Amino acid sequence: DIQMTQSPSSLPASVGDRVTITCRASQSIYKYLNWYQQKPGKAPKLLIYSASTLQSGVPSRFSGSGSGTDFTLTISSLQPEDFATYYCQQSYSTLLYTFGQGTKLEIK
Amino acid sequence: QVQLQQSGPGLVKPSETLSLTCTVSGDSISSYYWSWIRQPPEKGLEWIGYIYYTGNTNYNPSLNSRLTISVDTSKNQFSLKLTSVTAADTAVYYCAGHPFIAGPFDIWGQGTMVTVSP
Repeated sequence: DIQMTQSPSSLPASVGDRVTITCRASQSIYKYLNWYQQKPGKAPKLLIYSASTLQSGVPSRFSGSGSGTDFTLTISSLQPEDFATYYCQQSYSTLLYTFGQGTKLEIK
Repeated sequence: QVQLQQSGPGLVKPSETLSLTCTVSGDSISSYYWSWIRQPPEKGLEWIGYIYYTGNTNYNPSLNSRLTISVDTSKNQFSLKLTSVTAADTAVYYCAGHPFIAGPFDIWGQGTMVTVSP
């Protein structure tokens, strides 16, 4: 199994901050890395796929980078609606897709 | 655009079978791969398995012995059956679509909270 490890698990931040969330894979997944945003009581929403491609309709303040085993999700200027939990997910191993444990972005 | 509507009971007794259905609207079921994903209360996401419209499936090995995912192309639906459930299977269950086998989950159902309890 490919293990996905996110850090931090919790991230206090303020509106306007630039924040970065890290995701590390236990082996190379090339660029088969996707990022999701989940708000309480809602289904996850795709933000970024293939490590750095912004999903249609997602604000440009979200960006992704990385390849191989190390990836980042950056929000350039936090907005009130961005406080949520973020998950990374690898789609390289199609026998078993796996998610990170999540990063909860909280109001400082 | 493509939408997913989930249906099925929210309460299942221990040792019985959990059954959920996801109906695809706005496009043909042949356009995507279709997965089930679950999320226990206050926990992270776990992929359960996928099916293609041809009937080809792939299951999470941890659930493989109890799991069946099927497709009904005439109804544009796919379904999940999980047998011999325990409290550990209590979770929100989501259906989701991915445009190719290694693609992201870009379409999601609304989620169904399933509680396993006597």
